[in-house]
Amino acid sequence: AQSVAQPEDQVNVAEGNPLTVKCTYSVSGNPYLFWYVQYPNRGLQFLLKYITGDNLVKGSYGFEAEFNKSQTSFHLKKPSALVSDSALYFCAVRDRPGGYQKVTFGIGTKLQVIP
Amino acid sequence: NAGVTQTPKFRILKIGQSMTLQCAQDMNHNYMYWYRQDPGMGLKLIYYSVGAGITDKGEVPNGYNVSRSTTEDFPLRLELAAPSQTSVYFCASGGLAGGADTQYFGPGTRLTVL
Repeated sequence: AQSVAQPEDQVNVAEGNPLTVKCTYSVSGNPYLFWYVQYPNRGLQFLLKYITGDNLVKGSYGFEAEFNKSQTSFHLKKPSALVSDSALYFCAVRDRPGGYQKVTFGIGTKLQVIP
Repeated sequence: NAGVTQTPKFRILKIGQSMTLQCAQDMNHNYMYWYRQDPGMGLKLIYYSVGAGITDKGEVPNGYNVSRSTTEDFPLRLELAAPSQTSVYFCASGGLAGGADTQYFGPGTRLTVL
């Protein structure tokens, strides 16, 4: 069975500082990994994904994530946080090869960027 | 493209009432999903569909039903509403080629059962 863990309920960072939101996963094979962001009263929006290839994945709004197979991690990063980055961030994993596209989501990490 | 649309945005039900949450997508995606989001619990998959006429249960299907008569529409039916179904419901869709595996979410329906 596949699973994903986001060990921090909330991450606080000062504006302009680098940010990291942590994610670890468990799958039986090779994973597809995703990050989504949710702003208040909105649906989730896709940020980036790792399918194969380069371990460093770049996504929307200046975010990037690094796939680390040995540590089974896929941490989300940004070099300089903005107040507008404050939101709920979800990591998700899908085992592959898969039949249908069932994806398991983490419980979310609230990012608070302090002005 | 409108993407994924959901109606209604908000609804209050009394215990035992029923309702249908509507979901439509205009991206010609084969895959569609219904999730519920509860505080501190992340997203739980209720039902999913891999194409018109094909649906299957997710993690938390009890108390819900779905149908998929067209590629575009994937309504979620609540029968005999219970307080435990108070939640925010999200519909999502996904394609196979190109953006395969990326899910596109609707804005959600906030349901309260009293």
